[in-house]
Amino acid sequence: DAGVIQSPRHEVTEMGQEVTLRCKPISGHDYLFWYRQTMMRGLELLIYFNNNVPIDDSGMPEDRFSAKMPNASFSTLKIQPSEPRDSAVYFCASSLTSGEQFFGPGTRLTVL
Amino acid sequence: GENVEQHPSTLSVQEGDSAVIKCTYSDSASNYFPWYKQELGKGPQLIIDIRSNVGEKKDQRIAVTLNKTAKHFSLHITETQPEDSAVYFCAAGPFGNEKLTFGTGTRLTIIP
Repeated sequence: DAGVIQSPRHEVTEMGQEVTLRCKPISGHDYLFWYRQTMMRGLELLIYFNNNVPIDDSGMPEDRFSAKMPNASFSTLKIQPSEPRDSAVYFCASSLTSGEQFFGPGTRLTVL
Repeated sequence: GENVEQHPSTLSVQEGDSAVIKCTYSDSASNYFPWYKQELGKGPQLIIDIRSNVGEKKDQRIAVTLNKTAKHFSLHITETQPEDSAVYFCAAGPFGNEKLTFGTGTRLTIIP
């Protein structure tokens, strides 16, 4: 298995632009998680899905952030409009029920 | 919600010596405690985990201990090797492991 796949690996954009991060979970996994990692706040859970349904989005910082999972093999995290404070590494992870969370390689986002 | 504290933030040990990282948690309902290793430019990877019905778990050079009464758990790495150099994160969450709260990380450096 290729593991969790994220794209792009690096994204540089200007303040105010829309950013879309993509994730392909491990085939057969029924949970998908989006995390944000910064030096100041560490690793934070933003939202997670079970069987493509959002279960808990209490970690989403504000309405500029949205996430979707249209099918079992694809999820997106969108930031619109982006701000410099959104600069971070965004990780996607997937798991089976009560199983290990497997993390992707992350997307490093820089908002200028 | 859950709050996880991790110490120390940085740790340097001579190759061959042991390393210990400690975490405390606040929510007595938490009963799943994984440890992740993150290498530069990669996503976190699970190295060992423990559930609350167990006090200690070992896997070769790595061990984790849990004290539910005191709400703390520790990672022990023996006979450290250069490849152990990385950032280590503890986490705590419910049995289903969906909503993990991570510690702030420990940067471990093994001195040859």
